[in-house]
Amino acid sequence: NAGVTQTPKFQVLKTGQSMTLQCAQDMNHEYMSWYRQDPGMGLRLIHYSVGAGITDQGEVPNGYNVSRSTTEDFPLRLLSAAPSQTSVYFCASSPRGMVGNTIYFGEGSWLTVV
Amino acid sequence: AQKITQTQPGMFVQEKEAVTLDCTYDTSDPSYGLFWYKQPSSGEMIFLIYQGSYDQQNATEGRYSLNFQKARKSANLVISASQLGDSAMYFCAMREGARSGNTPLVFGKGTRLSVIA
Repeated sequence: NAGVTQTPKFQVLKTGQSMTLQCAQDMNHEYMSWYRQDPGMGLRLIHYSVGAGITDQGEVPNGYNVSRSTTEDFPLRLLSAAPSQTSVYFCASSPRGMVGNTIYFGEGSWLTVV
Repeated sequence: AQKITQTQPGMFVQEKEAVTLDCTYDTSDPSYGLFWYKQPSSGEMIFLIYQGSYDQQNATEGRYSLNFQKARKSANLVISASQLGDSAMYFCAMREGARSGNTPLVFGKGTRLSVIA
């Protein structure tokens, strides 16, 4: 059971380049989300999805795109990378239903934009 | 709107002593869940403990306990008998439940705990 898998783990981008952070889970979870973590800011929600075909914006969605074509995958796209998007990105998933359902996190993706 | 406040950016504790990490929250939803996560220097998010808003007793998990004071909207994490391996970043987070667990997990800014030998 792989859990939540994020790729790549490390990436360096040039300003203006585009890239996709991949997130996949094999637990058939309906709920998936993307966070970014910056020093002193905690984890801030970028986008989330409650099921295939359904996405919604979080606290800091600007500069990021998501789609959810399958239950398993929830990619995060940076259309034109900016230095302000240098951060650690976490993907998370959980089943729908009870508020206390376990939330599973990926190991994180370290992104540097130069 | 929900909000999590952790007022202690950094804390020091002597090995084998107990330490309390503060967390206050704000929500108008009567159904919610409170979570604590540990993030060591390696970066992964490790789930520690959960408290539901309707739970009658404070949650405990080994050396971790949650001091839940609903009227004060606080959910402090207590770590007993601190160990060097407890040195890490600790996050308090909340999820509202009115929409059957569909609301996102919202995090506080975290507290960095350093355990001193």
